[in-house]
Amino acid sequence: AQSVAQPEDQVNVAEGNPLTVKCTYSVSGNPYLFWYVQYPNRGLQFLLKYITGDNLVKGSYGFEAEFNKSQTSFHLKKPSALVSDSALYFCAVRPVGNAGNMLTFGGGTRLMVKP
Amino acid sequence: DTGVSQNPRHKITKRGQNVTFRCDPISEHNRLYWYRQTLGQGPEFLTYFQNEAQLEKSRLLSDRFSAERPKGSFSTLEIQRTEQGDSAMYLCASSSQGAIWGNTEAFFGQGTRLTVV
Repeated sequence: AQSVAQPEDQVNVAEGNPLTVKCTYSVSGNPYLFWYVQYPNRGLQFLLKYITGDNLVKGSYGFEAEFNKSQTSFHLKKPSALVSDSALYFCAVRPVGNAGNMLTFGGGTRLMVKP
Repeated sequence: DTGVSQNPRHKITKRGQNVTFRCDPISEHNRLYWYRQTLGQGPEFLTYFQNEAQLEKSRLLSDRFSAERPKGSFSTLEIQRTEQGDSAMYLCASSSQGAIWGNTEAFFGQGTRLTVV
């Protein structure tokens, strides 16, 4: 069975500084990897995905993530944080060839960006 | 609005009552998922439909839970004899099949927050 670990419950960063939200995964075979963001009283919004190809993927709102197969990681990054980036971030994994496309999510990391 | 729509947004019910939630997916999506999210946790998979066929159910989906997608469009999730432990956010998502098996992202609705008192 697959699993996702987000080791930090909360990440604090000052506006304008770079941010990293960590994610590691465990899956049989190759993974598809996803990041979602959840704002208060809102559903999950898709940010970006890794399917194949370039290990660095770019997504919405200036976010990017780097797939590292040897470290089984898919950390989310942004060069310059905005206060509006404050939200709950979820990493998710799905094994390649998983017929149902069901996602397994991590426990989430709350990002707090302070002015 | 062409996103995933869920109704109601909030539901408060007494323990032992039955509740039903509705999800309207993005119209061209043939896959529909239900997830449950409790406070401070990530979403947990409950069940999945491809068109009208329910193809997988999580062991989290006890026999008090039933989901349907009768015409391959909207879906309902019913919880019978609700318990306080059922209090959670119930999320619906939909996706297309995608050119490469499994490579499409799921789009989520805003969820239905259930409170069992």
